[in-house]
Amino acid sequence: NAGVTQTPKFRILKIGQSMTLQCTQDMNHNYMYWYRQDPGMGLKLIYYSVGAGITDKGEVPNGYNVSRSTTEDFPLRLELAAPSQTSVYFCASSYRGDDYTFGSGTRLTVV
Amino acid sequence: EDQVTQSPEALRLQEGESSSLNCSYTVSGLRGLFWYRQDPGKGPEFLFTLYSAGEEKEKERLKATLTKKESFLHITAPKPEDSATYLCAVQAWRGSSYKLIFGSGTRLLVRP
Repeated sequence: NAGVTQTPKFRILKIGQSMTLQCTQDMNHNYMYWYRQDPGMGLKLIYYSVGAGITDKGEVPNGYNVSRSTTEDFPLRLELAAPSQTSVYFCASSYRGDDYTFGSGTRLTVV
Repeated sequence: EDQVTQSPEALRLQEGESSSLNCSYTVSGLRGLFWYRQDPGKGPEFLFTLYSAGEEKEKERLKATLTKKESFLHITAPKPEDSATYLCAVQAWRGSSYKLIFGSGTRLLVRP
């Protein structure tokens, strides 16, 4: 099994550009999450989903949007990128809400 | 306010030199405490979940323990391959689901 797959692995954006970070899981997990990790800091929850068609905000949702049209996919959309969004982004999934599997991350730089 | 604090921020050990990492928390409605290992350029990898004070779990050279206010990750006779960042996270009900609240991690370097 592939687990949680994130693409791209690296991306450089210019201020004001938009992009979508992709996340796919093949474990039939109901719960999916997006986190960001800044240098020397813990992971901060951006958005999460408890099932297809259901999404909710986490601690730091401003500047981001998500959708969950299928169980497998949970894309994260950045509109009007800002330097403050430079970070490493991790997607995770869980079956019961406590057995998280993380992807390998997307390193995003906004210049 | 929810708070998870890990100490030390960084730890250097010689191979074979045992030590402990600390995770203290102030979280209402704690359901569980998680330990993860994170290697450079990779996502966190699950190690342990602890649910009640007094609980202990072991895996190879690692042992995690939990009290009402903190958790320890004990590393016995570490090897260079144990070098990584160790993340602690507490799980609590927030909004419409359980959430993980992460500490900032302890960077462990084990020298041969």
